[in-house]
Amino acid sequence: DADVTQTPRNRITKTGKRIMLECSQTKGHDRMYWYRQDPGLGLRLIYYSFDVKDINKGEISDGYSVSRQAQAKFSLSLESAIPNQTALYFCATSDYGLETQYFGPGTRLLVL
Amino acid sequence: RKEVEQDPGPFNVPEGATVAFNCTYSNSASQSFFWYRQDCRKEPKLLMSVYSSGNEDGRFTAQLNRASQYISLLIRDSKLSDSATYLCAVNIPTGGFKTIFGAGTRLFVKA
Repeated sequence: DADVTQTPRNRITKTGKRIMLECSQTKGHDRMYWYRQDPGLGLRLIYYSFDVKDINKGEISDGYSVSRQAQAKFSLSLESAIPNQTALYFCATSDYGLETQYFGPGTRLLVL
Repeated sequence: RKEVEQDPGPFNVPEGATVAFNCTYSNSASQSFFWYRQDCRKEPKLLMSVYSSGNEDGRFTAQLNRASQYISLLIRDSKLSDSATYLCAVNIPTGGFKTIFGAGTRLFVKA
């Protein structure tokens, strides 16, 4: 089984809808991240969490919120989806001190 | 200026060629450096960490130049399977390290 899983893998939604992307990990890492990837822009950090009680904004947090339900779970919500949030979303984890990031398989989101 | 910059390519090389990518970073306090490989529509995966002394893993060599603030990746004897996007990543000390990724360099290796 994959160490970092994301659900759903693909999602089509309409403008104004609220959606949630979920991430689970079995690596036992404390640190979790949400990124979005757009062509030509690379990976951009949306939110990150260094432990269950810690939530931090990344460079592009507007329009997004997160919840760290447990060490193993980190979910990303789009409160009111808009078309420019169409992107590939990755969840990642890392272990303190090592900082190598382990990515989930990604969620392709299309907002119509 | 972006915090981490890469030449987007694409680099088109024949099998067996040697190809090199550079990645520049702007934060002189950056502590650790990485190269990731990303296949089309897949997640990035760590290729190698980049140490001050440089490191080599088979056909891949990574170098760090702190004075000029860049890291490099050299691929020797390119294989068709090396075709991918290569992302550099830099950890910056912002309230506990945060990783900044470059936009990636695309490599196509042709027979």
